[in-house]
Amino acid sequence: DTAVSQTPKYLVTQMGNDKSIKCEQNLGHDTMYWYKQDSKKFLKIMFSYNNKELIINETVPNRFSPKSPDKAHLNLHINSLELGDSAVYFCASRKDYSTYEQYFGPGTRLTVT
Amino acid sequence: QQQVKQSPQSLIVQKGGISIINCAYENTAFDYFPWYQQFPGKGPALLIAIRPDVSEKKEGRFTISFNKSAKQFSLHIMDSQPGDSATYFCAASLWISSSNTGKLIFGQGTTLQVKP
Repeated sequence: DTAVSQTPKYLVTQMGNDKSIKCEQNLGHDTMYWYKQDSKKFLKIMFSYNNKELIINETVPNRFSPKSPDKAHLNLHINSLELGDSAVYFCASRKDYSTYEQYFGPGTRLTVT
Repeated sequence: QQQVKQSPQSLIVQKGGISIINCAYENTAFDYFPWYQQFPGKGPALLIAIRPDVSEKKEGRFTISFNKSAKQFSLHIMDSQPGDSATYFCAASLWISSSNTGKLIFGQGTTLQVKP
């Protein structure tokens, strides 16, 4: 019954590795987002997809590549992980262009060692 | 100009007291102002939100006061309870017409501790 779900919850990996985080929403929403929350809890938007189409890319390094196989899923693949990538990554969704409310997933804590 | 400045960074309130968190913005194109509540290990959850054509919105113990001319808005938590202890984020939504979508700009967050 979870509206926005993410896997995994925790991810510990070494520098240079490639990893993916998955997000799924069962709300029937059109728009999905990825946010990064740093160690100071600051939340910043990274990407937004609308019906599988990339619509916002906040100058994120191209090591980060979002992929949306369908409008219910938005995955985040990260290549060549760096120490600075350690953060909590949140997926969120919004119904459509007529609404403002965004609903967040539980987050994935990524630790790069 | 896309920043949202939030204060204080941390707040300690006695049970039953009023918690007040303030936010300020510069960009008059912002058109929606939500507050999110985040508990440790959880995602942000929408608490209450306001549009700029309204000066106040109340939902239970939570009230947003909005001052359009001053470009400021605040969250008031009445009768604060220990269960309210969390991090609170203000945000502002910016509509991007080229993409037909909005994006949220978050404040820095306020860690609230309500003492029993």
